[in-house]
Amino acid sequence: DAGVTQSPTHLIKTRGQQVTLRCSPKSGHDTVSWYQQALGQGPQFIFQYYEEEERQRGNFPDRFSGHQFPNYSSELNVNALLLGDSALYLCASSRDGGYNEQFFGPGTRLTVL
Amino acid sequence: GIQVEQSPPDLILQEGANSTLRCNFSDSVNNLQWFHQNPWGQLINLFYIPSGTKQNGRLSATTVATERYSLLYISSSQTTDSGVYFCAVPSFVTASKLTFGTGTRLQVTL
Repeated sequence: DAGVTQSPTHLIKTRGQQVTLRCSPKSGHDTVSWYQQALGQGPQFIFQYYEEEERQRGNFPDRFSGHQFPNYSSELNVNALLLGDSALYLCASSRDGGYNEQFFGPGTRLTVL
Repeated sequence: GIQVEQSPPDLILQEGANSTLRCNFSDSVNNLQWFHQNPWGQLINLFYIPSGTKQNGRLSATTVATERYSLLYISSSQTTDSGVYFCAVPSFVTASKLTFGTGTRLQVTL
């Protein structure tokens, strides 16, 4: 049983650029959540996708957007990158709309120069 | 929103020692998760424990939801236990959004 997978593993971008991160949930899971983890801090909730729609959103600007596909995989897009967007981006999947245990992928480490 | 505090923030142990990590939360919750984040950033699920006690090998966890805290016990610690331990809780209002604590950084030395 494959766990949650994310790609790419690492990414280096410059300020102002745009980035797309990808996530495939565990088999049988229908809900994907995205978190940002800055160095030395706990993960912060960005948003959650269920049934191909954004269902909840944390305190992140509209530069952060996402998408969920019919196969439940998901993308996180960040536009107009800022230095402060440098972080580990974690994807979590869960079943039954997210009201169950969440399992995390290995993360994508984004560096903005 | 819900507040989650963990203590201690840092812990250094010799191999073989036991430890207790604490997680306090400010509001009622219907579940709680404990994670271990390894040096590569991977969050590993340890326990999904809304209440009561669970054990998995050298690790066990107890959640007392009515008093708004959870404890993670690590016995006979090993160097591979090093890393950061997080607890995370959803609120009743936004039940699928996890709020993480600030973490406990554990270093186990030989």
